[in-house]
Amino acid sequence: GQQLNQSPQSMFIQEGEDVSMNCTSSSIFNTWLWYKQEPGEGPVLLIALYKAGELTSNGRLTAQFGITRKDSFLNISASIPSDVGIYFCAGQLGSQGNLIFGKGTKLSVKP
Amino acid sequence: EADIYQTPRYLVIGTGKKITLECSQTMGHDKMYWYQQDPGMELHLIHYSYGVNSTEKGDLSSESTVSRIRTEHFPLTLESARPSHTSQYLCASSRDRGGVAFFGQGTRLTVV
Repeated sequence: GQQLNQSPQSMFIQEGEDVSMNCTSSSIFNTWLWYKQEPGEGPVLLIALYKAGELTSNGRLTAQFGITRKDSFLNISASIPSDVGIYFCAGQLGSQGNLIFGKGTKLSVKP
Repeated sequence: EADIYQTPRYLVIGTGKKITLECSQTMGHDKMYWYQQDPGMELHLIHYSYGVNSTEKGDLSSESTVSRIRTEHFPLTLESARPSHTSQYLCASSRDRGGVAFFGQGTRLTVV
């Protein structure tokens, strides 16, 4: 089936550092989503992107829908300890396809 | 804010028991999903529904079954639980066919 390649798999950073993660695919997506999951909880939507080239911010988070529609990145600026969690990208093929999830990026922040 | 609820949050049950995991949403969403996820790992789609009386199997084969008799309710049933069913089960819903999915808090199932 279709796959999203999400990288890096994990990150260990110092509080205050900026973070960047991305997802790529060989397929063209209509929608890119970024979720955060904390231990024992369900994923929570962070940012939704609907157009190629779209750049959207949510506080310290910024995500972009790649021009080729085959990739997306998420940046977190000035990380804080509560940013800890697993970040998942998800893409939708076509207007009615199920979401396809990346394998997640586990973020650890050292105070 | 998403209004999708799963019960129970945690369940420890013996092998061979029948269990039903409940999922309800108050957003009037047509499409609902069940995902299976081992701790810290990727999400696997096991069932989804386009609406009332619609159920489809997902990408990962599962021994569980689902039903959709009401728009707001999408329960998942295991007729005979086994230790291999130990996992976290996440329910989600979306307004459209595909698109943004909102997740419940999950049910952490342990079969002993």
